[in-house]
Amino acid sequence: AQKITQTQPGMFVQEKEAVTLDCTYDTSDQSYGLFWYKQPSSGEMIFLIYQGSYDEQNATEGRYSLNFQKARKSANLVISASQLGDSAMYFCAMRAYGRGTASKLTFGTGTRLQVTL
Amino acid sequence: NAGVTQTPKFQVLKTGQSMTLQCAQDMNHEYMSWYRQDPGMGLRLIHYSVGAGITDQGEVPNGYNVSRSTTEDFPLRLLSAAPSQTSVYFCASRGTLQETQYFGPGTRLLVL
Repeated sequence: AQKITQTQPGMFVQEKEAVTLDCTYDTSDQSYGLFWYKQPSSGEMIFLIYQGSYDEQNATEGRYSLNFQKARKSANLVISASQLGDSAMYFCAMRAYGRGTASKLTFGTGTRLQVTL
Repeated sequence: NAGVTQTPKFQVLKTGQSMTLQCAQDMNHEYMSWYRQDPGMGLRLIHYSVGAGITDQGEVPNGYNVSRSTTEDFPLRLLSAAPSQTSVYFCASRGTLQETQYFGPGTRLLVL
């Protein structure tokens, strides 16, 4: 079974500053994928970034980067140059790559980010 | 492409009533899933499908039924609604060679 832990229920960051949202995971699978989703107040789930367990380089997508530390089982999301529109709930998720796991995303409980002026 | 669509957006039910939440995707994705989101608990997998005619249970399947007669549609049925099923329901889909799951806009369900 997989487990995702997000220990920060809420975070504040000033506009234009960088912020790191923490995510640790637990799995016995050797091959897996890690994801971050953003959920604004409107409610939709927006995919941000993906990291495969065998990827040697940290994933980056624009202002988003994933700080992947496999030995520590952590997959922190870094948002650079925060914008007011980044205020939202952020979820870390993972999927193991094995039999019967094709559609199974396991989510953490989320971190609510508030960007201030 | 419309992506993943869900209907209705909001529904109020009385305890014991049944209903079907609709989900459709036009991306020819093989994999489809239903999740529920409750406050403080993230999203939890209810049922999923790896293709037409193939479904399986997720983490919290009790009280829900699914079928997948076509690639495009994956309805979720509540057989006898209970207040504990008050939640936001998300449908998601993924292509065979893709990593990313795409989510629908969600259905907010209130069971009185």
